[in-house]
Amino acid sequence: SAVISQKPSRDICQRGTSLTIQCQVDSQVTMMFWYRQQPGQSLTLIATANQGSEATYESGFVIDKFPISRPNLTFSTLTVSNMSPEDSSIYLCSVVSQAQETQYFGPGTRLLVL
Amino acid sequence: GENVEQHPSTLSVQEGDSAVIKCTYSDSASNYFPWYKQELGKRPQLIIDIRSNVGEKKDQRIAVTLNKTAKHFSLHITETQPEDSAVYFCAASRANFGNEKLTFGTGTRLTIIP
Repeated sequence: SAVISQKPSRDICQRGTSLTIQCQVDSQVTMMFWYRQQPGQSLTLIATANQGSEATYESGFVIDKFPISRPNLTFSTLTVSNMSPEDSSIYLCSVVSQAQETQYFGPGTRLLVL
Repeated sequence: GENVEQHPSTLSVQEGDSAVIKCTYSDSASNYFPWYKQELGKRPQLIIDIRSNVGEKKDQRIAVTLNKTAKHFSLHITETQPEDSAVYFCAASRANFGNEKLTFGTGTRLTIIP
């Protein structure tokens, strides 16, 4: 399967600031997604990162709060804007490669907002 | 949209016994059902998946069954071992190849008692 990396792996941020999370894949993938996993909870899809166009957001998530970029087939960023303690979560990217036809997750970014 | 319910939320099993986790889904158009295992502090790992044209799939000690009429699917782990202890998530999507968004169940914390 594709090797997926995320940066940073963890961070502690002050409320009101923004953090950009990077997701890098070692091969071209057809689809990239961003999920949020709050402490002790399941995974919730934030948005589908579309290559060269605006991301597709799920209900309850908006572009102003979670801007996403995907400039090519191997890289995407998620920004968590104007953070509050409620944004403390693990943020995971996932990818689907044409070869594998299944969805694999990156290692996640553990975010704590004070 | 899709809603996936998962039961039980916690499960303790004696080592060597079997464990069964059940999920139901609401969207009759869903046709792809993966299962992920998440160990503490790690990313979700795909352990098995099933597509709607198949009623059962087995991989060594792990099996998944699907009943499309009743809209439920189950994970079966036989001869459980301590390393099976983790949180297990079921998911559902509309795509045959996992390239559509996944809706996750709430998770089952499985503990194997030595």
